[in-house]
Amino acid sequence: EAAVTQSPRNKVAVTGGKVTLSCNQTNNHNNMYWYRQDTGHGLRLIHYSYGAGSTEKGDIPDGYKASRPSQENFSLILELATPSQTSVYFCASVGGQNTLYFGAGTRLSVL
Amino acid sequence: AQRVTQVQPTGSSQWGEEVTLDCSYETSEYFYRIFWYRQLFSGEMVFLIYQPSFDTQNQRSGRYSVVFQKSFKSISLVISASQPEDSGTYFCALSELITGTYQRFGTGTKLQVVP
Repeated sequence: EAAVTQSPRNKVAVTGGKVTLSCNQTNNHNNMYWYRQDTGHGLRLIHYSYGAGSTEKGDIPDGYKASRPSQENFSLILELATPSQTSVYFCASVGGQNTLYFGAGTRLSVL
Repeated sequence: AQRVTQVQPTGSSQWGEEVTLDCSYETSEYFYRIFWYRQLFSGEMVFLIYQPSFDTQNQRSGRYSVVFQKSFKSISLVISASQPEDSGTYFCALSELITGTYQRFGTGTKLQVVP
């Protein structure tokens, strides 16, 4: 069974603070994605990665950085968090036939 | 440009009825896949079924099937014998194979199945 684990599950941050969202997968998948989910927008891609050391910009990368130090780990970094980044964030790894395996999500509130 | 549209923000069904959820998309590619995912009330996203563009046969998996109208760039998810456990939000997503772009999602349809 594919396994993608996100941490933390919930996070409250202050405006201007640094936030790091972590994702770990045990599927040995090369490609990984970070999406955010907002009402009325569905899931929008922030960053993605083709493998260790690779990060690429998605549709809405502004205000976010990504890091892929290993095959298993893919982090999303908000250097200066803003209230507009309050959202639910999903990490996913890409398996056979391009099927996505999602983590449980991280609910982030920036106050 | 790649775009995925789900015009039904909500839907409802009675227990045992067949449910159809619609999705349309834009792509300039010939080879692509359309995926359907369901988001449970817990927030968990679950893969349901996918349709390859080069397969003329509508795909089926258990109680899920699709009606693929390639010329109209339209695809519907059909849930047979719907049950209250099928309630949730359903997303379709487009993945272009040649350009290798990531999956782009629609805005989802929230389905409620009532007894």
